[in-house]
Amino acid sequence: AQSVTQLDSQVPVFEEAPVELRCNYSSSVSVYLFWYVQYPNQGLQLLLKYLSGSTLVKGINGFEAEFNKSQTSFHLRKPSVHISDTAEYFCAVSNSGAGSYQLTFGKGTKLSVIP
Amino acid sequence: EPEVTQTPSHQVTQMGQEVILRCVPISNHLYFYWYRQILGQKVEFLVSFYNNEISEKSEIFDDQFSVERPDGSNFTLKIRSTKLEDSAMYFCASSGEGVADTQYFGPGTRLTVL
Repeated sequence: AQSVTQLDSQVPVFEEAPVELRCNYSSSVSVYLFWYVQYPNQGLQLLLKYLSGSTLVKGINGFEAEFNKSQTSFHLRKPSVHISDTAEYFCAVSNSGAGSYQLTFGKGTKLSVIP
Repeated sequence: EPEVTQTPSHQVTQMGQEVILRCVPISNHLYFYWYRQILGQKVEFLVSFYNNEISEKSEIFDDQFSVERPDGSNFTLKIRSTKLEDSAMYFCASSGEGVADTQYFGPGTRLTVL
């Protein structure tokens, strides 16, 4: 079984400041890792994903995340946030083995960017 | 850019009634999914569907739930006899065939059971 913990339910940050949204996971097997974003009244949109290779993954809208296997973490970062980044962010994992496609999500972190 | 669509955006029903939530996945995708999010809780996997049959389901997906691909474009989730605890946002998603392929999500249907 897998689980995902997002340590912060809400993160307020001033515009142009850096932000880090934390995600830790637990799994007995190898995993793929994802960050999704949900803007108000919209579906979940993929920001970035880690499958293998370089542990630093770059995504859309200037976001990046680093996979740390020893700490079982996949924290999301952005060096300078904009008002338009205000949204809810979800970390998710899936089993990297064949035959299992389901995503296991964290509870989400609401990012509020303050002008 | 192709997208997953869902109808209706909001469904209100009485306890015990049947509801059908509809989704149109991205046209060349092969895997289809339903997830739900009860207010204030995590997004939870319900079921995945491939080659006209269920490939995985969670313990939430009991006998009151069913899925169907009635034609070449729609993917439906039926709840036979709704309960108050079925009130949630239901998300449909679709993906290509590879396990690493991105799942693309629809905007969701908010189901309210009274």
